[in-house]
This record gives sequence, C-alpha cells and structure tokens, in this order.
Amino acid sequence: AQTVTQSQPEMSVQEAETVTLSCTYDTSESDYYLFWYKQPPSRQMILVIRQEAYKQQNATENRFSVNFQKAAKSFSLKISDSQLGDAAMYFCAYRSADSNYQLIWGAGTKLIIKP
Amino acid sequence: NAGVTQTPKFRILKIGQSMTLQCAQDMNHNYMYWYRQDPGMGLKLIYYSVGAGITDKGEVPNGYNVSRSTTEDFPLRLELAAPSQTSVYFCASSSPRGNDEQYFGPGTRLTVT
Repeated sequence: AQTVTQSQPEMSVQEAETVTLSCTYDTSESDYYLFWYKQPPSRQMILVIRQEAYKQQNATENRFSVNFQKAAKSFSLKISDSQLGDAAMYFCAYRSADSNYQLIWGAGTKLIIKP
Repeated sequence: NAGVTQTPKFRILKIGQSMTLQCAQDMNHNYMYWYRQDPGMGLKLIYYSVGAGITDKGEVPNGYNVSRSTTEDFPLRLELAAPSQTSVYFCASSSPRGNDEQYFGPGTRLTVT
C-alpha cells in the first residue's frame, strides 16, 4: 500500500524568505500524481500544485515550485517570497494513475510566517 | 458557482444519535467524496461516488452510509454516533474529464459526546 510521509510537523519562515516543505512517499507504481494542498485556518482545502510522475520537469505555480525526485520518492514544496497569507497547514497527497478517487494524504506541515 | 457546499458547519451529537451531513456541488462533477480529518492527521476517504446511483467504500467506511440519487447531492449518514467519529468531515468533488483536481467544501466539525 502507498504511504505519504511529511516529517516536519511545523516550519517557520521570515516573511519574504524562502521555505521548503518535505514530503516522501512509498509506492511500487511507476505512474502516479502528486499534489500539495493548502489548508488555511478557514479549513478550506485548496490545491497549490500538481505533478505528474511521468513528467521530468518540476511543476511551478507563481511563487510555488516543487522538487520532484522520482528515484528518491521525494516531492518537496518550495515557497519563495513568503507572504503572511501563506500561513496554513500544507498537505502532500498521492494518487495512483489507475485511480481517480483515492488520494493518500500525509499528516501535514504547519507553516508559520514571521512578520 | 457556489462550488461545494456543506451543512451544518458545526454539530454536537450524543452517543447513539444519528445525523446526516449534507453536501452539494453545482459544477456538474461526476465524482464526489467524503473524507474525515482527525486532529494532526491527513484526510481519510470514507466513501466515494463516480456518478448518480453509484457509491463505494473508501478506507474508513464503518459507521457511515451514503447515497447519490442526483449528480449534485451526496449526503453522509452517521448511524449510532460514537466518540470515535468526532472529526472534521470534508466533502469534495472532481471531474474525470478535467484536470482531476478535487474541490473541497468548507467542512463540518462534528463532536460526539
């Protein structure tokens, strides 16, 4: 069975600085998708970025980018120029290419932004 | 579009009571999901549906039931509530024809005492 591990329960960063959140996963599959979701205090879960395993190029969305290392089964999220609005829980999730429903979630990392 | 809506936002139940958590989406998504989120944990899939009239169990279905009579609505029924069902419940939807992003509702915080 697939598992997703986020080893950092909490991270803090100074406003305008860069922070990297870690995520590792375990799978025997070669085709899958990886996601980072943000959950602010409002509890609304919001997709931040998505990566297809068959793409070697790392996904980017404005200030958010990933470092996808398929062989190492690592999928870290880099947030550049951190803003106060980035403060939230961040969840890493995995989905098999054979499934359009089963997302496997990590336990989350709480990101604190220091003004 | 309202997206995915859930009611109620908060609820306190006594042990043994029953209730239905409502979920609706107006994006014409075929796929709908129910998750629970326990403190300090990621989400766990309870039930999912790939279309009206079709439902299936997820990772943690015990103590819950669902129905999907329309594309828009996907209610979650708790029978005989237990303290272990204290959690935050999220409904989500997605379209297999789109980029498969799951859109989430705001959640329902349920406490069973």
